[in-house]
Amino acid sequence: KNQVEQSPQSLIILEGKNCTLQCNYTVSPFSNLRWYKQDTGRGPVSLTIMTFSENTKSNGRYTATLDADTKQSSLHITASQLSDSASYICVVSGTGGGNKLTFGTGTQLKVEL
Amino acid sequence: NAGVTQTPKFQVLKTGQSMTLQCAQDMNHNSMYWYRQDPGMGLRLIYYSASEGTTDKGEVPNGYNVSRLNKREFSLRLESAAPSQTSVYFCASSARPDRGAYEQYFGPGTRLTVT
Repeated sequence: KNQVEQSPQSLIILEGKNCTLQCNYTVSPFSNLRWYKQDTGRGPVSLTIMTFSENTKSNGRYTATLDADTKQSSLHITASQLSDSASYICVVSGTGGGNKLTFGTGTQLKVEL
Repeated sequence: NAGVTQTPKFQVLKTGQSMTLQCAQDMNHNSMYWYRQDPGMGLRLIYYSASEGTTDKGEVPNGYNVSRLNKREFSLRLESAAPSQTSVYFCASSARPDRGAYEQYFGPGTRLTVT
């Protein structure tokens, strides 16, 4: 069964600090991996999409890495801000027709002063 | 551009009542999706429409029906609501179905409670 597991489940950091969120997946065959940010009460917003051949992708202070061999990804947030407080969801897409997205349960990040 | 819009934002139903959740996108996307999000679980696909005129079941279709009214609009209907359908419902759209890493854009969600 295709699965996406994220760790930690929740995280509290001080403003200005860096953090790294982890994602392990068993989706096969693999097409691409996405990271979404979901603010409380809002829909998810895409941060990055990485295909099999991409190892690293950045979007401002967010940097995602992908190791397709070990089926692991990480999302690194640099110089955190209060507005980074949100749930970060890892989503993996398999190949094939239609929609084959498998969503993780998310890491709840809280940035405090 | 408004992106993806959903109505209503909140809804409370009694068991057995019916309702339709509306979704519209103004990005000229071909594909549209309905998901539900429950505490402690990842988003799960209910139905999707790869292109206008087509609909297909997702992971959790039981108790739901959909209509792709035109290219812009995709509605989700609960014929006889049950407490197990209490959830947050998200509509999303993408330029194409998932091949080729086409980004999905999500609406703000509808929070549905069935008592």
